[in-house]
Amino acid sequence: NAGVTQTPKFQVLKTGQSMTLQCAQDMNHNSMYWYRQDPGMGLRLIYYSASEGTTDKGEVPNGYNVSRLNKREFSLRLESAAPSQTSVYFCASGLGASQGTQYFGPGTRLLVL
Amino acid sequence: GENVEQHPSTLSVQEGDSAVIKCTYSDSASNYFPWYKQELGKRPQLIIDIRSNVGEKKDQRIAVTLNKTAKHFSLHITETQPEDSAVYFCAADSNSGYALNFGKGTSLLVTP
Repeated sequence: NAGVTQTPKFQVLKTGQSMTLQCAQDMNHNSMYWYRQDPGMGLRLIYYSASEGTTDKGEVPNGYNVSRLNKREFSLRLESAAPSQTSVYFCASGLGASQGTQYFGPGTRLLVL
Repeated sequence: GENVEQHPSTLSVQEGDSAVIKCTYSDSASNYFPWYKQELGKRPQLIIDIRSNVGEKKDQRIAVTLNKTAKHFSLHITETQPEDSAVYFCAADSNSGYALNFGKGTSLLVTP
């Protein structure tokens, strides 16, 4: 099993460009999550999908959109990138926080110039 | 969202000493408290977790204690080794039942 995979691993964008971060899991988990990690700020939840067909905002959703394509895949889209979105983005999956842990992907490092 | 406060932000210990990291949470409905370890450039990985019906849990050199009344929980690492050097995050489940609220992390350095 690959667990949670993310593409790309690294990306450089110019301000105003758009891009989609891809995430897939093969653990048959119902819930999937997108976090951003910035120095000194810990892991902040952007959006999550409790189950296929549902998405909900997390702590920092502004400037992002998500799509739960199917049970395996959960994508994060930046429509018009800003330098403030420079960060490391982690996707995670799990059974639901109260039922068990979340498993993280390897991360995507995004630099917006 | 609900707050999870984590202290200290940095911790330096000598090899063989113990390390303790403390977290407090604000949502009295929280029932699940995982701890993650993140090595430099790597993904966070679960090292231990505890549920509200348990006061303490131990796994070799790592233990977690939970005080629901006071709404705080702690990670204890005994006989620390240089490979324990990493950033450690505590978390608590949110009232949504699906999301985790994370502390801001503790950077642990174990010096030989």
